[in-house]
Amino acid sequence: EDKVVQSPLSLVVHEGDTVTLNCSYEVTNFRSLLWYKQEKKAPTFLFMLTSSGIEKKSGRLSSILDKKELFSILNITATQTGDSAVYLCAVGGGATNKLIFGTGTLLAVQP
Amino acid sequence: KAGVTQTPRYLIKTRGQQVTLSCSPISGHRSVSWYQQTPGQGLQFLFEYFSETQRNKGNFPGRFSGRQFSNSRSEMNVSTLELGDSALYLCASSFGGTGLRTDTQYFGPGTRLTVL
Repeated sequence: EDKVVQSPLSLVVHEGDTVTLNCSYEVTNFRSLLWYKQEKKAPTFLFMLTSSGIEKKSGRLSSILDKKELFSILNITATQTGDSAVYLCAVGGGATNKLIFGTGTLLAVQP
Repeated sequence: KAGVTQTPRYLIKTRGQQVTLSCSPISGHRSVSWYQQTPGQGLQFLFEYFSETQRNKGNFPGRFSGRQFSNSRSEMNVSTLELGDSALYLCASSFGGTGLRTDTQYFGPGTRLTVL
């Protein structure tokens, strides 16, 4: 069965810290891995990764994919309270050609 | 460019009733996917519509159904509501087609359904 596992489930950091969120997957016919940020309602798109070893960056956020070891990490440097959210990892592919989501990592950034 | 819109934003129903939720995708997007989000289960895929046809379906009972119109707007219907149907229902749109053009999905604000 296709699955996406995120770790840790939650973490609390202080402003200025650097955090690393993990996403591992077992998905047949892998096509892409996506990261989303969900604050109150709608998940907002952050990155899509399709190739191993190529880092995607947006400001203080960056992500990289390892297709051999079947995982991705999302790094956030110099965290701010506005980074507090649930970060979702999703993988495109699978038996039914849909996005498969992990349960998310709840990040709380304290001032 | 307007984002994905969903109506209504909040809904309270009682057990046994039925409900219809609406989703308007981003202009130019032809694929609409629906998800149920609950604290315990996370985001669970319901179904995906592309060009008015259901292309993928998740593991939900037949009480959950949907459709898509020629303008790509989509509706989701839940009949004979149960307490466990209380959740945030999210729709997401993408360009559609196949592969990566379907994977990059943009979410609407969701409809919070409470079943009493």
